[in-house]
Amino acid sequence: ETGVTQSPTHLIKTRGQQVTLRCSSQSGHNTVSWYQQALGQGPQFIFQYYREEENGRGNFPPRFSGLQFPNYSSELNVNALELDDSALYLCASSPYPTENYGYTFGSGTRLTVV
Amino acid sequence: GDSVTQMEGPVTLSEEAFLTINCTYTATGYPSLFWYVQYPGEGLQLLLKATKADDKGSNKGFEATYRKETTSFHLEKGSVQVSDSAVYFCALTYSYNTDKLIFGTGTRLQVFP
Repeated sequence: ETGVTQSPTHLIKTRGQQVTLRCSSQSGHNTVSWYQQALGQGPQFIFQYYREEENGRGNFPPRFSGLQFPNYSSELNVNALELDDSALYLCASSPYPTENYGYTFGSGTRLTVV
Repeated sequence: GDSVTQMEGPVTLSEEAFLTINCTYTATGYPSLFWYVQYPGEGLQLLLKATKADDKGSNKGFEATYRKETTSFHLEKGSVQVSDSAVYFCALTYSYNTDKLIFGTGTRLQVFP
């Protein structure tokens, strides 16, 4: 097992720019979800992908979008960055159904928008 | 809507003390319940889980019992160590709701020698 790997670990962007965050899921996990964790808060669900299809979305605007690839790796794209997008972005993968297994989380990407 | 409420921290304990971190939930169905732990600068690690009422999850000396009657899933450990210092998150999910995890705000535990 290699776990969930996220890249980059940190990055700084300017307001209005676009960013792509990447995630490599744990082997055998066909479900991937992305979460946003603001400082001092619990993670908030952004969306989930199952077998390359979006399978649910949280309360985030359309400028947050994603992809899942045939090898189950994933990307999170954020357009028109705002200062409030500064947060730790966590990728999590699981076999299906998640309720039986729980998610395995990556260490996250710390995004700072200035 | 569904939600998770945790006791506010920080919880400050001496090594070998008994730990309880309270967690209650509000849910329309019968969710699975989880405790995750986050060490400084890291992502979340699954600590334990319970998928139905009266189940007890346990791992590394931590335990939590799924109490449907009180809608609670309190985390306990009989003797904490300095290395247990971290932020603990209670969460719920159910498969008909996209499997998304709904987290509490987290409880910071600080253990001193």
